[in-house]
Amino acid sequence: DVKVTQSSRYLVKRTGEKVFLECVQDMDHENMFWYRQDPGLGLRLIYFSYDVKMKEKGDIPEGYSVSREKKERFSLILESASTNQTSMYLCASSGTSGPYNEQFFGPGTRLTVL
Amino acid sequence: AQSVTQLGSHVSVSEGALVLLRCNYSSSVPPYLFWYVQYPNQGLQLLLKYTTGATLVKGINGFEAEFKKSETSFHLTKPSAHMSDAAEYFCAVKKGSARQLTFGSGTQLTVLP
Repeated sequence: DVKVTQSSRYLVKRTGEKVFLECVQDMDHENMFWYRQDPGLGLRLIYFSYDVKMKEKGDIPEGYSVSREKKERFSLILESASTNQTSMYLCASSGTSGPYNEQFFGPGTRLTVL
Repeated sequence: AQSVTQLGSHVSVSEGALVLLRCNYSSSVPPYLFWYVQYPNQGLQLLLKYTTGATLVKGINGFEAEFKKSETSFHLTKPSAHMSDAAEYFCAVKKGSARQLTFGSGTQLTVLP
């Protein structure tokens, strides 16, 4: 069974803290994605990676950075957390065998910044 | 640029009634279209996808969607709603060469007993 796992389901941090969200996939997928999900806004792409050490900005990269040192792992970093980064964060991965490859999602991390 | 519009952020149906969730897209090239479902406190799960060929696509849990190019629509339907269908549904579009998806804002489906 294919799987995308995220390091935490719930996380509470304080303003100004550095926050790491980890995502691991076991499908040998080339592409990995980080989204944030907010009510009424759907999913918005923060960053994605198409290979180890390669990354591209999504629609809302400000305040975030990412790291992909190994193919199976993609990390989202909040350098200095702010209250407006309180959200649900979803990681996804997909292969490259065709243009209709769907994305597989992790369970999400609900981050609260106080 | 491509975008996805889901009409109706909340839809309520009675158990056993028809489910219709609307999705319209804008794209300068033929798109690849997806419907995902998100149950409470879970990630997204693929319901179905349109690639090329048959315009009526069947998915899991009795859902299907019809691609209508002339209307730039990809509406999701299910003939008879079940209580377990209560969830949030997202339409997404991918331009052929792109890796990323663009998601609609979601429709929360409530099924009334």
